[in-house]
Amino acid sequence: GESVGLHLPTLSVQEGDNSIINCAYSNSASDYFIWYKQESGKGPQFIIDIRSNMDKRQGQRVTVLLNKTVKHLSLQIAATQPGDSAVYFCAENGRSGGSYIPTFGRGTSLIVHP
Amino acid sequence: DTGVSQNPRHKITKRGQNVTFRCDPISEHNRLYWYRQTLGQGPEFLTYFQNEAQLEKSRLLSDRFSAERPKGSFSTLEIQRTEQGDSAMYLCASSTVSGGTEAFFGQGTRLTVV
Repeated sequence: GESVGLHLPTLSVQEGDNSIINCAYSNSASDYFIWYKQESGKGPQFIIDIRSNMDKRQGQRVTVLLNKTVKHLSLQIAATQPGDSAVYFCAENGRSGGSYIPTFGRGTSLIVHP
Repeated sequence: DTGVSQNPRHKITKRGQNVTFRCDPISEHNRLYWYRQTLGQGPEFLTYFQNEAQLEKSRLLSDRFSAERPKGSFSTLEIQRTEQGDSAMYLCASSTVSGGTEAFFGQGTRLTVV
């Protein structure tokens, strides 16, 4: 399944499928990006990050792709599991008044059906 | 547990009362951030500290809100004369040096103003 991020806030997939969550960021000066997972009632949890001098980074079952030309990030989750159900946020470390402030998008809710 | 700790986890208060939340960051982190999150939205930046200095404040931080980090370790966020619109999850995060390092989040304090 594929999400277009802010325009489709909920993504439903079957267990075992691959998931793709998209995010558009706003600040062309941002040079560091993070994907967070947030489960209900908990704080955001770091998943994976990427710097602007890279276009791809892989972790365990997750891959982040960065396209600076169109200011777009995606998070790919392989073999999605029920425990992956959560809201996923991308955050950019953009400069604000001289400081780097992690700034969050709206998020995408991932629902994994067993 | 060496993660970011927030207290209390939940707070119910009557409109007009003052409330104070505490955040204990990861011990070696010199940056501390406060965010507010409402249902269905991503965390919104409120303010951040580098050591004891408050370096940035969002326009969301009205004059009823004040944050301190007196010794560069724990921080408090006080809301005076609470309003129902203040009901939200208040998240604290900490990180090391600026730019390209992830912010680690606490579990948040859920405020309900009745």
